[in-house]
Amino acid sequence: AQSVTQLDSQVPVFEEAPVELRCNYSSSVSVYLFWYVQYPNQGLQLLLKYLSGSTLVKGINGFEAEFNKSQTSFHLRKPSVHISDTAEYFCAVSGGSNDYKLSFGAGTTVTVRA
Amino acid sequence: DADVTQTPRNRITKTGKRIMLECSQTKGHDRMYWYRQDPGLGLRLIYYSFDVKDINKGEISDGYSVSRQAQAKFSLSLESAIPNQTALYFCATSDSPGRGRGNEQFFGPGTRLTVL
Repeated sequence: AQSVTQLDSQVPVFEEAPVELRCNYSSSVSVYLFWYVQYPNQGLQLLLKYLSGSTLVKGINGFEAEFNKSQTSFHLRKPSVHISDTAEYFCAVSGGSNDYKLSFGAGTTVTVRA
Repeated sequence: DADVTQTPRNRITKTGKRIMLECSQTKGHDRMYWYRQDPGLGLRLIYYSFDVKDINKGEISDGYSVSRQAQAKFSLSLESAIPNQTALYFCATSDSPGRGRGNEQFFGPGTRLTVL
């Protein structure tokens, strides 16, 4: 079984500053990793995913994440945030191509201030 | 038009009432899921279905039931609602394995349910 820990529940950040959201997972098998974003009063939207290949994954809206197998981490970064990036961000893990289940972290709320 | 739709978007009900939340999808996916979201807990899986005849309990199925009426429709019922079922409920869909998406799931907009 997989589990996900998002290390920060709240991240305040000023506009145009960089942001990093930390995610660690535990799994005994190869994994697929995802970051989803939830804007206020909306559903979840996929930001990016790691299935295989390059460990640096680029997603939508200028976000990127790096898969680190030795540290079992999948941290999300953006070099310069906008007010519109204010949202809740969820890291999720799936245990391989035949695994039906996504296990979600508790979420990180990012608040961008001018 | 949205690929995954949920109705209603908001619902307030009373303890003991039966409630049905509905989900429809136009993505042609075989797999459908129901989750609930509570602050600080992320999303937790209630039920999932791999096709019309294959329905399975998730990690928190007590107090809930589901019906897969067609490939495109998956309903969640609360037989007798209680206040601790107040939450945001999401429906999601995914392709079958081997399609290269790694179980990427596509979410509906959510239903906010309040049980008084």
